[in-house]
Amino acid sequence: NAGVTQTPKFQVLKTGQSMTLQCAQDMNHEYMSWYRQDPGMGLRLIHYSVGAGITDQGEVPNGYNVSRSTTEDFPLRLLSAAPSQTSVYFCASSSKRGAKSDEQFFGPGTRLTVL
Amino acid sequence: DAKTTQPPSMDCAEGRAANLPCNHSTISGNEYVYWYRQIHSQGPQYIIHGLKNNETNEMASLIITEDRKSSTLILPHATLRDTAVYYCIVRGGGTSYGKLTFGQGTILTVHP
Repeated sequence: NAGVTQTPKFQVLKTGQSMTLQCAQDMNHEYMSWYRQDPGMGLRLIHYSVGAGITDQGEVPNGYNVSRSTTEDFPLRLLSAAPSQTSVYFCASSSKRGAKSDEQFFGPGTRLTVL
Repeated sequence: DAKTTQPPSMDCAEGRAANLPCNHSTISGNEYVYWYRQIHSQGPQYIIHGLKNNETNEMASLIITEDRKSSTLILPHATLRDTAVYYCIVRGGGTSYGKLTFGQGTILTVHP
C-alpha cells in the first residue's frame, strides 16, 4: 500500500491564481481530511469528508473548495490564492470499520507559497 | 472537543524515560485522549489513545488519571529519533470521528 499520497510536494503561486492540491489513499478509508499548518503552529482542519459525495467544513474553510467523487481521492481547490494561504497542507485518512481507534494516516504534505 | 494544555518544550536524555504531561480538565465522559507526534515537518503519526484505562503499545504507554483530567505519555527508552513535537488531543465520538483539533504541542528534544 502507498498509504496517503499528495501532489505536488512544493508549489509557488502568484496572488489570484487558482490550483488544486491532490490527495489519494489506497486503504479504502471512508474518512478523509485536509489540514493546514502555519509555521510554529499545530494543524488546523480545513475540510473533511465522511464518504464519497459527502463533505463538510472544518475550522478554516474560507478560500478552499473540496469534492469527493470517489473513495480514493479528495482534492483541495484554492479558488484565488492569497499570501495568507502560504502554509503546509496535509491530507489524512482514517476508517471506522473494524478499527479500535481513529488512527489518522497523514500524507507527506504540500508546501505552498503564495507571492 | 475539550481543550488540552501541554508544556511548550521538554528535554530528555537518550535511554531515559520521557514523560509528557497533558491537562484536559474539561474532558467529558465519551471523549478519548489521543497522542500524535510530528517529526521534522513530516505528517503527524499516531502513537496511542485511551478512554479511561491505562494503555500500552509498542511505541508508548498512556497513563490517564482516575478523574480523567490529565494524562501522561511515556516513552520508556527515548532515542534521538523520538525528537519531535508531541500533540495531546481530546476527541469525542460520533460526528467528531475523522476530525482532530491540534494544539501547539510539546517539543521534545532527546539529547545524547
